[in-house]
Amino acid sequence: KAGVTQTPRYLIKTRGQQVTLSCSPISGHRSVSWYQQTPGQGLQFLFEYFSETQRNKGNFPGRFSGRQFSNSRSEMNVSTLELGDSALYLCASSLSPGAQETQYFGPGTRLLVL
Amino acid sequence: AQSVTQLGSHVSVSEGALVLLRCNYSSSVPPYLFWYVQYPNQGLQLLLKYTSAATLVKGINGFEAEFKKSETSFHLTKPSAHMSDAAEYFCAVSFSGNTPLVFGKGTRLSVIA
Repeated sequence: KAGVTQTPRYLIKTRGQQVTLSCSPISGHRSVSWYQQTPGQGLQFLFEYFSETQRNKGNFPGRFSGRQFSNSRSEMNVSTLELGDSALYLCASSLSPGAQETQYFGPGTRLLVL
Repeated sequence: AQSVTQLGSHVSVSEGALVLLRCNYSSSVPPYLFWYVQYPNQGLQLLLKYTSAATLVKGINGFEAEFKKSETSFHLTKPSAHMSDAAEYFCAVSFSGNTPLVFGKGTRLSVIA
């Protein structure tokens, strides 16, 4: 079974631009979560989607948004990019939401904002 | 506030030596606990998971972790370190049904030949 895939793997943008990242979960997984990883802040939760509905949202500004499609694929969008948005963005999928569910991570998209 | 703490941002061991990476959580109820490993330029890979079935959990690559409720700890161990174990290790905790996974800051493990 294929793992979680994320596209693109690397991205360079300039301040003020917007970016869309894509995540395809493991087949059969319906829950997708997004995390931002930076050297200073570590791994921070962005949001979680299940059945096309946002279930949880982390403490990030409204410039960060996401959505999930009927096939469980998910996208996240960051508008008006800032230098501090440079990070590794990780997507994780699980069969369903819930504290006991194991999340499986993709390789991440590394975003550099210049 | 519920949190997870990894003691030591960097641990260095000799090849063949015991690996001990520490993780403590703060919660009034036993959570679900996970250890993940991250190799350079890669995502996170699940090492093991505690779900209350057994306090000693065996994972992949020879790692295991023991849940100690009295100490609110879930330390990761491996009897004999291998060069390929050099990576960053994250402890993660899920406290209740509707809360997201909370990660520790991570511990970078270096293995010296």
